[in-house]
Amino acid sequence: SAVISQKPSRDICQRGTSLTIQCQVDSQVTMMFWYRQQPGQSLTLIATANQGSEATYESGFVIDKFPISRPNLTFSTLTVSNMSPEDSSIYLCSVEGDRASENIQYFGAGTRLSVL
Amino acid sequence: GQQVMQIPQYQHVQEGEDFTTYCNSSTTLSNIQWYKQRPGGHPVFLIQLVKSGEVKKQKRLTFQFGEAKKNSSLHITATQTTDVGTYFCAGPLGSSNTGKLIFGQGTTLQVKP
Repeated sequence: SAVISQKPSRDICQRGTSLTIQCQVDSQVTMMFWYRQQPGQSLTLIATANQGSEATYESGFVIDKFPISRPNLTFSTLTVSNMSPEDSSIYLCSVEGDRASENIQYFGAGTRLSVL
Repeated sequence: GQQVMQIPQYQHVQEGEDFTTYCNSSTTLSNIQWYKQRPGGHPVFLIQLVKSGEVKKQKRLTFQFGEAKKNSSLHITATQTTDVGTYFCAGPLGSSNTGKLIFGQGTTLQVKP
């Protein structure tokens, strides 16, 4: 299984500011995924980060609000822009398992974001 | 759109009692996965089921994939306090093998010692 480091682990931010979340994987992976988990809710996929191309966003999520970078095969960032209290959530990055464990997702510890 | 539904949302049991959570998909799934999230933690993979009617066991946990590959269940025998957490089922999002997952709403299990 992959080892994923995500930071910051938590933050409290003011309305209107932006926060960039970093995700580092201990091995090269083709795709990295960003999920949002609102308080007491399930996980919802925000976007897929591909190295060398634009991120692919799911319905309801847009690049202006959640810009993503993927500079290499082990690293990605997600920015939550112009934050409002509704953005208070846990943000999780994940990667798919290797060939022997395709489709299985391994998650980072998450970033717990509170917006005041 | 594609949906994965899970019931119940919450379950409180006495330690030693059994627990079951059910997962239903609006579409046929190529595989279904189960994850556990402890309070304050992140989702951790438990198991993947691929075959129609498949049953897998992990100690006190029994996982089942329906014949139509649209539903699944997780049964815990004789719960322990270490079983506390939220259990999510998840399946591939969309029809292609892209690695994306759609998650059920989760069942939060509380175990009274």
